[in-house]
Amino acid sequence: DAGVTQSPTHLIKTRGQQVTLRCSPKSGHDTVSWYQQALGQGPQFIFQYYEEEERQRGNFPDRFSGHQFPNYSSELNVNALLLGDSALYLCASSIFGQGGNTEAFFGQGTRLTVV
Amino acid sequence: SQQGEEDPQALSIQEGENATMNCSYKTSINNLQWYRQNSGRGLVHLILIRSNEREKHSGRLRVTLDTSKKSSSLLITASRAADTASYFCATDQMNRDDKIIFGKGTRLHILP
Repeated sequence: DAGVTQSPTHLIKTRGQQVTLRCSPKSGHDTVSWYQQALGQGPQFIFQYYEEEERQRGNFPDRFSGHQFPNYSSELNVNALLLGDSALYLCASSIFGQGGNTEAFFGQGTRLTVV
Repeated sequence: SQQGEEDPQALSIQEGENATMNCSYKTSINNLQWYRQNSGRGLVHLILIRSNEREKHSGRLRVTLDTSKKSSSLLITASRAADTASYFCATDQMNRDDKIIFGKGTRLHILP
């Protein structure tokens, strides 16, 4: 049983470009959450997807958008990249509606560097 | 914004000693979770403690939760070099859907 898989593992982009990161949740999970983790900081919640809709959103600008597909996989898109977007992007999968009583499983992350 | 705040920010101890990390949070929660992260990679779930629980054990890990003080502690007994990592507490928010919020973490270094 594969856990949460993310691709790519590393990515280098230029300021102003756009990037798409991908996540496949753990088998049996229907909810995907995305986090941004800057160096030396804790993960910051970007948004959460369930039933192909954005359910919750953190304090991130509209340049950050996402999508969830019928197979529960998800994409994170970032437009007009800034140097400050350089970070580790983590995807977590879980089962919706458990009231937070189940653990979230994380992928290994995508390291994005903006130059 | 971050809900949890770990203390200390960094901790260095000798192999074999016990390591204690603390977490404080701001709002009422359904549960609190502890995660480990090695070298900036993915987060590994360690333990989940529910708001109606006071203590939980898993192997060499012991977690306590004091909801009146909005705080939790993680104790790692008989530390090993492989325990060197960053440790994060994460909380949900009562009556909110599934979103979990992380603190800034404690960087633990086990000295040989």
